[in-house]
Amino acid sequence: AQSVAQPEDQVNVAEGNPLTVKCTYSVSGNPYLFWYVQYPNRGLQFLLKYITGDNLVKGSYGFEAEFNKSQTSFHLKKPSALVSDSALYFCAGKAQTDKLIFGTGTRLQVFP
Amino acid sequence: GAGVSQSPSNKVTEKGKDVELRCDPISGHTALYWYRQSLGQGLEFLIYFQGNSAPDKSGLPSDRFSAERTGGSVSTLTIQRTQQEDSAVYLCASSPGTGLTNYGYTFGSGTRLTVV
Repeated sequence: AQSVAQPEDQVNVAEGNPLTVKCTYSVSGNPYLFWYVQYPNRGLQFLLKYITGDNLVKGSYGFEAEFNKSQTSFHLKKPSALVSDSALYFCAGKAQTDKLIFGTGTRLQVFP
Repeated sequence: GAGVSQSPSNKVTEKGKDVELRCDPISGHTALYWYRQSLGQGLEFLIYFQGNSAPDKSGLPSDRFSAERTGGSVSTLTIQRTQQEDSAVYLCASSPGTGLTNYGYTFGSGTRLTVV
C-alpha cells in the first residue's frame, strides 16, 4: 500500500534562516508528489508538485522541493523563512492511476 | 464554478442524527475526493470517484458512511447515526482526472461538522 510520511510534527525556525520540512514516500511506479499549506481557518492551498523532469521543483511563496528517488524523499525547503510562513504543511503522493494520500502534516513555526 | 464549493460550511447535529454534506466540484473535473481532518490532525482519505469507474471506498471508516456522485458532478457524503468521533472538517477536492491542472488538486473550504 502506498504511504506518505512526515516524521516531524513541528518544525521551529528563526526568521531569515533556511527551513526544511521533511517528507518520505512509498508509492509504486513513478510517483506524483505534492506539497500543500493550510493557514489557520483557511483551506488547503497548493504549493508545488513533482510529476516528472527536474528533481528540483519551485513553487509558490519562494518554496521549493527536491525529489530524491534513491532516498524516496521530497523535502520542502525555503532559503529564508518568514514569520508569515507559519502554517500547517502537508505532503501528498500518488501513483499515476491511484488515489492521493496525505502525510500527517508538519506545523511550521517561524519565530521573529 | 470557479472553485470547489462545499455546503454547509458548518453543521452542528445531535448524536444519532443523519447528516448530508455536499460538494460541487469544478465543472469538467472527473476526479473527486473526500477527506476528513480531525482537530489538529492530518487528512484522512475517505472515498475517491474517478469518472464512471466504481468508487474507491477503502477509506470509509464504517458502514455509517456512504457517498454518491450523481451525473459525474455533485457529490454527497452521508453519515448515518452520527457519533461524537465523527466531528471533524470534511474536505472535498477535484481534479481533471488522470491529468492534473497546474495547481494539482483543488480543495473546497470544507464542512465543519460538530456532533453534540
